[in-house]
Amino acid sequence: EDQVTQSPEALRLQEGESSSLNCSYTVSGLRGLFWYRQDPGKGPEFLFTLYSAGEEKEKERLKATLTKKESFLHITAPKPEDSATYLCAVQAPSGNTPLVFGKGTRLSVIA
Amino acid sequence: NAGVTQTPKFRVLKTGQSMTLLCAQDMNHEYMYWYRQDPGMGLRLIHYSVGEGTTAKGEVPDGYNVSRLKKQNFLLGLESAAPSQTSVYFCASTRQGNEQFFGPGTRLTVL
Repeated sequence: EDQVTQSPEALRLQEGESSSLNCSYTVSGLRGLFWYRQDPGKGPEFLFTLYSAGEEKEKERLKATLTKKESFLHITAPKPEDSATYLCAVQAPSGNTPLVFGKGTRLSVIA
Repeated sequence: NAGVTQTPKFRVLKTGQSMTLLCAQDMNHEYMYWYRQDPGMGLRLIHYSVGEGTTAKGEVPDGYNVSRLKKQNFLLGLESAAPSQTSVYFCASTRQGNEQFFGPGTRLTVL
């Protein structure tokens, strides 16, 4: 059974304090790993897709990396507006297979 | 483009009442999904559709029915609502293998 575990459940950072969120996954073959951001009361917003081990993608203060067992979302010098819940999801190789989501990491950045 | 829209945004039902949630997308996506999101449980897939006229069960399908009569619309029905169905419901759509686009959510309370 495909599984996704995110850690920590919650993270509190001071503004400018860099850190990383972890997404560990178990899937029989990986078609893609997806990162989303979710603000309170809103739907998840797409951030990145990673397809193969060693791949990295960046967007502003965020950088996502992928290994064969896990993905990291690195946040460099975070600002209060980066506060949100970050969700990770994986998709198995079959094109019809739905995403399997982790429970998310709730990030709070304090000014 | 409006993207993915959901109707209604909020609803309060009494136990045993029925209702239909509507999801519409204007991106010509083949795949559409219904999720529920509960505190501590993450996003759980209820039903999904890989094309007009097709539907499939997800992780938590009991108590729900769906229909995809038109490519752009995906309906989620609750025939006899129960308090356990109190949740936030999200619809999403995608082309095969790509990132999912989410709607803003419907907050449902069943008394």
